[in-house]
Amino acid sequence: AQSVSQHNHHVILSEAASLELGCNYSYGGTVNLFWYVQYPGQHLQLLLKYFSGDPLVKGIKGFEAEFIKSKFSFNLRKPSVQWSDTAEYFCAVKRSGAGSYQLTFGKGTKLSVIP
Amino acid sequence: EPEVTQTPSHQVTQMGQEVILRCVPISNHLYFYWYRQILGQKVEFLVSFYNNEISEKSEIFDDQFSVERPDGSNFTLKIRSTKLEDSAMYFCASSSRGFNEKLFFGSGTQLSVL
Repeated sequence: AQSVSQHNHHVILSEAASLELGCNYSYGGTVNLFWYVQYPGQHLQLLLKYFSGDPLVKGIKGFEAEFIKSKFSFNLRKPSVQWSDTAEYFCAVKRSGAGSYQLTFGKGTKLSVIP
Repeated sequence: EPEVTQTPSHQVTQMGQEVILRCVPISNHLYFYWYRQILGQKVEFLVSFYNNEISEKSEIFDDQFSVERPDGSNFTLKIRSTKLEDSAMYFCASSSRGFNEKLFFGSGTQLSVL
């Protein structure tokens, strides 16, 4: 079975600082990778996803993530964070291909951006 | 953007009681899911549902759990005899064409079992 590790439980940054949130997964086969965000009081929303092709994926709100297959990693980055990026961020993985519907989530990283 | 709606937002029940959590997926979506998050733990997959049957379920989804799409709009999760450890936030999600499509999540139902 696949698993996901997010290294940071809580990250605190000042506005305009650069962000990198770590995500590693374990699974021997081909995977699809996702980052979800949950703003305070709101539902989970998809930030970006990787299925195949260019390992550098761009998502909404200036976020991007890079899939490094050799490191089993899919780190989330943003060059300059804003106060409105304060939220909890979840990395998730799914076995690629038909017949697999479940996402496996990491524990999440809480991001607090200080104005 | 369309939304998945879950009701109630918070449900309190006594141990051993049955609960039904309700979800209204996005209207043209065909795939439906339940996830849960116990406080301080990961969001965990429970079950996926397509074409009026379960497509995939996790080990958590034992005989105490069942899902149903009783009409064209609702998707329900029933827990037959709740246990303390069932206390969690339960998220419903839907997608239009299945596992490769974007999941839209509801805001969740916080279930508290006393």
